[in-house]
Amino acid sequence: EVQLVESGGGLVQPGGSLRLSCAASGFTLSSYWMHWVRQAPGKGLVWVSRVDSDGSDTTYADSVKGRFTIFRDNAKNTMYLQMNSLRAEDTAVYYCARLGGHDPSDYWGQGTLVTVSS
Amino acid sequence: DIQMTQSPSSLSASVGDRVTITCRASQGIRNDLGWYQQKPGKAPKRLIYAASSLQSGVPSRFSGSISGTEFTLTISSLQPEDFATYYCLQHNSYPWTFGQGTKVEIK
Repeated sequence: EVQLVESGGGLVQPGGSLRLSCAASGFTLSSYWMHWVRQAPGKGLVWVSRVDSDGSDTTYADSVKGRFTIFRDNAKNTMYLQMNSLRAEDTAVYYCARLGGHDPSDYWGQGTLVTVSS
Repeated sequence: DIQMTQSPSSLSASVGDRVTITCRASQGIRNDLGWYQQKPGKAPKRLIYAASSLQSGVPSRFSGSISGTEFTLTISSLQPEDFATYYCLQHNSYPWTFGQGTKVEIK
């Protein structure tokens, strides 16, 4: 069974840093591109970032470019999101996802809450 | 960036009603679109991929269609478990973009 489990969320002050992890099981992480999607409280879904299968190519939403870094350790079957210079508007539930695109399979984790507040 | 304009933002409907939700892309995206359902406190679940292909395990009352840059999600006969928020997602080009969401509520 495919599972994605996020961790690392919590309360952080503005300007602070946090690293989210996404542990994958039930499939070989190195075979798939992976994504982060976030959702501010009471708001819609926003795509944040993606990393290709070996971690050599990444893409970011403009709102996080230069502050967030997505990377992966395929040997540990884990993907990460390093978040620096956090702002109040980064407060959200962060989901890691194996978004299917045209592939019939599509999987999401349960999400981890990041709260940026003083 | 490609903008996805989703409508309506909310609707009230009764069990058994036919419901239609639309996403319009700001430029051509072929059929690079999926539809997701999200219930409160839960991760999104994909219903439709490639604009019109039904995700495995999803009831056949859900269907998707495409006409140019307009994409439609139809629920043929609304069931109690379908009350949720629905989103479209374009994956034609980065940044991938979601529609604003449609909240389907009980009338």
